[in-house]
Amino acid sequence: KQEVTQIPAALSVPEGENLVLNCSFTDSAIYNLQWFRQDPGKGLTSLLLIQSSQREQTSGRLNASLDKSSGRSTLYIAASQPGDSATYLCAVKGNFNKFYFGSGTKLNVKP
Amino acid sequence: DAMVIQNPRYQVTQFGKPVTLSCSQTLNHNVMYWYQQKSSQAPKLLFHYYDKDFNNEADTPDNFQSRRPNTSFCFLDIRSPGLGDAAMYLCATSREGQSSYEQYFGPGTRLTVT
Repeated sequence: KQEVTQIPAALSVPEGENLVLNCSFTDSAIYNLQWFRQDPGKGLTSLLLIQSSQREQTSGRLNASLDKSSGRSTLYIAASQPGDSATYLCAVKGNFNKFYFGSGTKLNVKP
Repeated sequence: DAMVIQNPRYQVTQFGKPVTLSCSQTLNHNVMYWYQQKSSQAPKLLFHYYDKDFNNEADTPDNFQSRRPNTSFCFLDIRSPGLGDAAMYLCATSREGQSSYEQYFGPGTRLTVT
């Protein structure tokens, strides 16, 4: 069964710092990988989707990479802002329309 | 805007009293999912519909049922809620076909069991 791990579980950085969040998965047979943002008590907001044939995707200050063979993805956030404070989750899509989630990294950006 | 809507946003029910959570979508996606998420945990897939085909996860308790009367709507029924069922319930959709598409989530329903 697919296992998705996100390290660290929590991260606190000063405003303006560049940072990297990590996601690893055990089964490389995935269709895509998606990064989400979740604010407290809210649903999930999609940030970036990387298809299995792609290496990276960019949106504004966010850049996500995918190394399927090693089972790893990173989310790079440039010039972090207090508004970036949230929990970031990654999910991989496997067979039979199933998505497997990590437990997330809780990010706090201090002003 | 096309979206995923969940009602109610907050639901309080009594121990053992049946409750129904609602999800609707205007995206015309053929797959709809229900997840349970407890504090600081990953969303846990309960079941999903591919069109009208129901797919239950092996570890989803029998206490949880679902209905999808049409493409746009999907319901989560909890027949006899226990204290351990208090959680955020998330509905999501995706469109499946030749290519692989992303998931879109609703805002969630926070369930409290008293």
